[in-house]
Amino acid sequence: NAGVTQTPKFQVLKTGQSMTLQCAQDMNHNSMYWYRQDPGMGLRLIYYSASEGTTDKGEVPNGYNVSRLNKREFSLRLESAAPSQTSVYFCASSEDPMFGNTIYFGEGSWLTVV
Amino acid sequence: AQKITQTQPGMFVQEKEAVTLDCTYDTSDPSYGLFWYKQPSSGEMIFLIYQGSYDQQNATEGRYSLNFQKARKSANLVISASQLGDSAMYFCAMREEANELVFGQGTRLTINP
Repeated sequence: NAGVTQTPKFQVLKTGQSMTLQCAQDMNHNSMYWYRQDPGMGLRLIYYSASEGTTDKGEVPNGYNVSRLNKREFSLRLESAAPSQTSVYFCASSEDPMFGNTIYFGEGSWLTVV
Repeated sequence: AQKITQTQPGMFVQEKEAVTLDCTYDTSDPSYGLFWYKQPSSGEMIFLIYQGSYDQQNATEGRYSLNFQKARKSANLVISASQLGDSAMYFCAMREEANELVFGQGTRLTINP
C-alpha cells in the first residue's frame, strides 16, 4: 500500500530555476496538502485542496503555485526558485474536510536552492 | 498568537522510563482535533495519536496516551516504557473547522540506554 508518494526525494536547484514537486495518493482521499518544514521548525501549510478542482492558500503561499490535476494528484510548482525556498516539502492527504480524519504524509522532498 | 505551543525544545530520558511531552493550544472553535506526530531522523511524519475536542476519554494507542485537559487547553503526549527507537522529533498539531492542520515547533526526544 503506497499511501502518499512524492517525487523527487532530493533536488538541487539554482536560483531562478523552476521545478514541480509531484504528489500522488492512492487512498481515494478528497483533501490534499503541501507543507514545508524549515530546520528546527514545525510544518507550515503552503497550499491545500479540499476537493478535486479547488485549491486554497495556506500560511506561506508566496512563490508557489499548485495544481490539483485529479483526485489522486496534487503538484507544487516553484516558478523562480529562491534560496529562501530551501526546505523539506511534505505532501499529505486526508479522507475529506470533515473534522477528525487522520492526515497521511508522504516521505518528504528535500529541496536545496543555491 | 501561537496556536500550538511546545515549550520543551529537547528532552533526555532514560530507557524504560515514562515521558510526557507538553503541548498547549489556542482556539476559539468548539470543534477541533489534536494530533501527535513522530518524525525520526529519516524525515517521514508518522501519525501517533488523535484526540477530538468532544471525545470524553483520553485517547490511547499502545504505549502512547494523550493527557487531554480541555479547560487548560493542554494535550500532552505520554509515552510509557520508553525505548531507544522512540528517539525522534515529536510534533503536536491542531486541526480546526477550517481544515488547516497547524503544527507546533516540536520537541526533540532522546532516549538514553
